[in-house]
Amino acid sequence: AAGVIQSPRHLIKEKRETATLKCYPIPRHDTVYWYQQGPGQDPQFLISFYEKMQSDKGSIPDRFSAQQFSDYHSELNMSSLELGDSALYFCASSPRTGAEQYFGPGTRLTVT
Amino acid sequence: KQEVTQIPAALSVPEGENLVLNCSFTDSAIYNLQWFRQDPGKGLTSLLLIQSSQREQTSGRLNASLDKSSGRSTLYIAASQPGDSATYLCAGYTGGFKTIFGAGTRLFVKA
Repeated sequence: AAGVIQSPRHLIKEKRETATLKCYPIPRHDTVYWYQQGPGQDPQFLISFYEKMQSDKGSIPDRFSAQQFSDYHSELNMSSLELGDSALYFCASSPRTGAEQYFGPGTRLTVT
Repeated sequence: KQEVTQIPAALSVPEGENLVLNCSFTDSAIYNLQWFRQDPGKGLTSLLLIQSSQREQTSGRLNASLDKSSGRSTLYIAASQPGDSATYLCAGYTGGFKTIFGAGTRLFVKA
């Protein structure tokens, strides 16, 4: 069965650079969630999209933005990167609001 | 504001034991609760989802229950195996598309 795809899987950036993470949800899933997981921490909700519209925001810095495109894939754009942005970034999708979330393998971002 | 707490933070058991992981949440207006497994440095694997209208779900050796009135969910693992060693996370979905995770329970099953 198709799963959530995230790219890239690993990314190394320097401070003050920008990064773009991509997420391709499971086909026919209309809801996408983004999470940030720091070392030894639980995943923190960043932002979600439903039918290409932003549906909720969590602890997402103003330096980050995201959108969902017409084909339902989503991108998380991160600017002015800081050392503290180093983390695993997960994308999850679900077939409808409140349904089971399926997580992608994550993108490991390292900021040096 | 929804808060999710997991107890214990870590657990080490011999192979074959039955064990219970606990998850508590502060907002009873929870829409659903999902249990995940995470191996070190890896993604999250969904184990069980319990809708607010349900009381429990079962999958193989796993059974999860939900008691909204007391704000608690438990994950029961029967006949634990070394391959069950991982971090187990519960996550509460309170509507509004927001999911709150607990800090997880790190489980180690000794052969």
